[in-house]
Amino acid sequence: QVQLQQWGAGLLKPSETLSLTCAVYGGSFTDYYWSWIRQPPGKGLEWIGQISHRESINYNPSLKNRVTISVDTSKYQFSLKLTAVTAADTAVYYCARGLPYDFWGQGILVTVSS
Amino acid sequence: EIVMTQSPATLSVSPGERATLSCRASQSVSTNFAWFQQKPGQAPRLLVYGVSTRATGIPARFSGSGSGTEFTLTISSLQSEDFAVYYCQQYNNWPLTFGGGTKVEIK
Repeated sequence: QVQLQQWGAGLLKPSETLSLTCAVYGGSFTDYYWSWIRQPPGKGLEWIGQISHRESINYNPSLKNRVTISVDTSKYQFSLKLTAVTAADTAVYYCARGLPYDFWGQGILVTVSS
Repeated sequence: EIVMTQSPATLSVSPGERATLSCRASQSVSTNFAWFQQKPGQAPRLLVYGVSTRATGIPARFSGSGSGTEFTLTISSLQSEDFAVYYCQQYNNWPLTFGGGTKVEIK
């Protein structure tokens, strides 16, 4: 069974860098894109970006200048970095396998507060 | 950016009744379209992809239909576990976008 397990800091100050990692257990790592999606508290879903094992990357233009997604194929992991965070970046961050998004990580609430 | 508009925002339905959820895309997304279910405190769960293909383990009471810009998710007979928020998503164009969600609540 495929499982995605994610980790990273849950409390940041404004202007700091958000850093999350997602590990993939089971299934193929090379046959899929690997994505990050976020959800502000009480709101809808926002696609952040995705990467393939060959590092083909697409980002949401709304975040493009601040976001970096990377992959470590040897560890079956991929990561998200978001720089210069503000309160508007407070959200539950999910990693997911796709497309379509058939397996998701458990989600991590990242709170940005001074 | 393709805007996905879901209606209604809230749908009140009695258990055993049929529920029909709608999603409209601001331009054609071909068949690159999916529906998700999300319960409080949980990650979204894929229900339907490619407009009408049920994901693994999804009961037959969930069915998707539509084409181009207009899509529908039908739940034929609502069970207690189906009360949740439902999101549509297009994955035809970058950036990938989701609808704002429809909350299905108990009437």
